[in-house]
Amino acid sequence: DAGVTQSPTHLIKTRGQHVTLRCSPISGHKSVSWYQQVLGQGPQFIFQYYEKEERGRGNFPDRFSARQFPNYSSELNVNALLLGDSALYLCASSLVNYNSPLHFGNGTRLTVT
Amino acid sequence: ILNVEQSPQSLHVQEGDSTNFTCSFPSSNFYALHWYRWETAKSPEALFVMTLNGDEKKKGRISATLNTKEGYSYLYIKGSQPEDSATYLCASLYGQNFVFGPGTRLSVLP
Repeated sequence: DAGVTQSPTHLIKTRGQHVTLRCSPISGHKSVSWYQQVLGQGPQFIFQYYEKEERGRGNFPDRFSARQFPNYSSELNVNALLLGDSALYLCASSLVNYNSPLHFGNGTRLTVT
Repeated sequence: ILNVEQSPQSLHVQEGDSTNFTCSFPSSNFYALHWYRWETAKSPEALFVMTLNGDEKKKGRISATLNTKEGYSYLYIKGSQPEDSATYLCASLYGQNFVFGPGTRLSVLP
């Protein structure tokens, strides 16, 4: 079975631009969550979607948005990029939220210049 | 603001040594505690999902314990091998949100 796939793997954007990151979960997983990881810190929770509905949102500005599609894939959108948005963005899928482990993709490395 | 802490921040051990790390988390409104291993250039991989106070889980040379009343979990590695070198993350679930600790970076020297 294919694991969680994320695209693109790397991305360079300029301040003020917009970016869309994509994630395909493991087949059968209906829950997808997004995390931002900067060097020296653990992953920070951004969003969780389950059955196409937002179920949780972390402490991130409204410039960050996401959605989940009928096939359970997901997009993370970030508007008006800032230098501080440079990070590794991880997507994870799972069967049920707390009793099942998260399965992570390899991440998208975003650099904002 | 919920805070999950891990100690030590980094650790260097010799091959064959046994070692352990600590994860501390707020004990109120606890749902679950996860441990992940994150090797360089790979994605984080689940080691354990623990939900009950007193839980003990084992996977080969790695084991973990959970104390939900005092808010801590220990991860033990017996007879460390170079392939155990990785960052070990713990995450505690509050509501719908996972809060991750900063990780413990383990280096096992041959």
